[in-house]
Amino acid sequence: EIVLTQSPATLSLSPGERATLSCRASQSVTNYLAWYQQKPGQAPRLLIYAASNRATGIPARFSGSGSGTDFTLTISSLDPEDFGVYYCQQRSDWITFGQGTRLENK
Amino acid sequence: QLQLVESGGGVVQPGRSLRLSCAASAFPFSSFAMHWVRQAPGKGLEWVALISFDGSNQYYADSVKGRFTISRDNSKNTLFLEMSSLRAEDTAVYYCASEFRYPNYGLDVWGQGTTVTVSS
Repeated sequence: EIVLTQSPATLSLSPGERATLSCRASQSVTNYLAWYQQKPGQAPRLLIYAASNRATGIPARFSGSGSGTDFTLTISSLDPEDFGVYYCQQRSDWITFGQGTRLENK
Repeated sequence: QLQLVESGGGVVQPGRSLRLSCAASAFPFSSFAMHWVRQAPGKGLEWVALISFDGSNQYYADSVKGRFTISRDNSKNTLFLEMSSLRAEDTAVYYCASEFRYPNYGLDVWGQGTTVTVSS
């Protein structure tokens, strides 16, 4: 099973700041990596697929990068609605999720 | 508007069974593989099972293999998850989801979830 490790566990930032979230895979997933945002009481929302492609309707401030085992989700300038929990997910070998990064308003 | 609606959750005793349903609307259900994903209270996401578009292939997480069965009825646009020998650790919100726009890359259509509580 491919294990995804996200860091940091919690990120405290203010609106307007830049957020950088990391996801490391235990073995290469090439570009089969997605990012999700989840808010309390809601289903996850797909942000990024294939490591660097924004899903339909996702604002341009969200970007993804990386390949192989190391991936990054960047939010260029935080909007108040961006706070929540972010998960990475690999699709190279079935599906596994990272443990999540909580992005909180400082 | 694409929509997936889960139902069937509830409180069940350990060792008992429960069947979840996921009804699809405004969605070409019979053309797409479908997934179940769960989330225990206060925890992260865990993939549970996958069924191919025609129902001919099913795949399971090790944690549920042999106890859960995924199936579908394409004539009724409905996905199922039959859960047996339930354990306390199966307590979670269960979501159905699809890789509609990005097959094999990302789950972009999700239901709202149905809650399963396994407790005596």
